[in-house]
Amino acid sequence: AQSVTQLDSQVPVFEEAPVELRCNYSSSVSVYLFWYVQYPNQGLQLLLKYLSGSTLVKGINGFEAEFNKSQTSFHLRKPSVHISDTAEYFCAVRDSNYQLIWGAGTKLIIKP
Amino acid sequence: DTEVTQTPKHLVMGMTNKKSLKCEQHMGHRAMYWYKQKAKKPPELMFVYSYEKLSINESVPSRFSPECPNSSLLNLHLHALQPEDSALYLCASSQDFQRPYEQYFGPGTRLTVT
Repeated sequence: AQSVTQLDSQVPVFEEAPVELRCNYSSSVSVYLFWYVQYPNQGLQLLLKYLSGSTLVKGINGFEAEFNKSQTSFHLRKPSVHISDTAEYFCAVRDSNYQLIWGAGTKLIIKP
Repeated sequence: DTEVTQTPKHLVMGMTNKKSLKCEQHMGHRAMYWYKQKAKKPPELMFVYSYEKLSINESVPSRFSPECPNSSLLNLHLHALQPEDSALYLCASSQDFQRPYEQYFGPGTRLTVT
């Protein structure tokens, strides 16, 4: 069975600094990867997805992620964060039963 | 329009009550999902409807009863819930269940069982 590991439960970072949220997945033949964001008291919103093609994926709100097959990683990055980026970030992989397998989530804390 | 709507936003119910959660999408999506999310945890899949037929039931207790009246609507009927069922209930939809399309989530219904 596939699995997703988000190595950091919380990541504090100063405003306007760069950030990387880490995600590793268990290997599979076909990999479809997603990053979702959940702002406080809201539902989940898709940030970006990797289905095939270019390994560098750009998403909304200035986020991007790189699919690295050899390291089985899909880390999320942003060059300069804002207070409004404070949220929970979930990495997910689609498994062979068409369902999403979720990581435990990483809380991004922006310090002024 | 990429919106999934859910009503009500908040619901407080006693253990003997019967209530329903409602979800609606007008994107023409043929797959709809119910998730349960506890605080500080990822969503847990409960049910999946594909082309208005129940495709997945993740061993959910019978006190939760899903219904898909048409391709745009999804209901979750609640009866005799327990306090541990208190959670955020999220509805989602996607273009097709079997293809790797992204899921669009609603804002959720925050349920408290007293």
